[in-house]
Amino acid sequence: AQSVTQPDIHITVSEGASLELRCNYSYGATPYLFWYVQSPGQGLQLLLKYFSGDTLVQGIKGFEAEFKRSQSSFNLRKPSVHWSDAAEYFCAVLMDSSYKLIFGSGTRLLVRP
Amino acid sequence: DAGVIQSPRHEVTEMGQEVTLRCKPISGHNSLFWYRQTMMRGLELLIYFNNNVPIDDSGMPEDRFSAKMPNASFSTLKIQPSEPRDSAVYFCASTPTGLHTIYFGEGSWLTVV
Repeated sequence: AQSVTQPDIHITVSEGASLELRCNYSYGATPYLFWYVQSPGQGLQLLLKYFSGDTLVQGIKGFEAEFKRSQSSFNLRKPSVHWSDAAEYFCAVLMDSSYKLIFGSGTRLLVRP
Repeated sequence: DAGVIQSPRHEVTEMGQEVTLRCKPISGHNSLFWYRQTMMRGLELLIYFNNNVPIDDSGMPEDRFSAKMPNASFSTLKIQPSEPRDSAVYFCASTPTGLHTIYFGEGSWLTVV
């Protein structure tokens, strides 16, 4: 069955430090992959997506993610975290045949001043 | 573009009452989704519509839940009767057919007491 795993429930980083959030997926075909961010009390905002082509994709707010087929991973990175990045981050995979978006359990990012 | 619009943003209701959540998808989007977010189960797909027709309702938890899409610009999710375990955030999302990127509303925060 298709699934998405985000192994880190919480991550704390200092402001200005680099960030990497992990995501692994299980899907038989080439996946469509997404990262969404949810600030407290808010909806889900799309950060970036991968459909095909260049495996390093750029998103909004200075985020990027790299698709590694050999590792079934799509990790999210940011070189320098800002306090406003504190939020919950969700990785998701789309089942192309049915438009069913499968979400990971989320990683909550805390930013130390 | 106004984005996906959901109402109400917040609702508190008593157990046994009927709850109706409303959604206006982005104009021109052919597919609409209802998701539920809880601490225990994360983000779950409840139902999705394509061209106003329900395609997959396997995620609807039980008969107390029903969803309709009478036209391309409006959908409802109804819970009757509501129970405390229905307390959650309900998201509506939409996408234009073929583009795969799903856009979410701000959510309806439901508390059943």
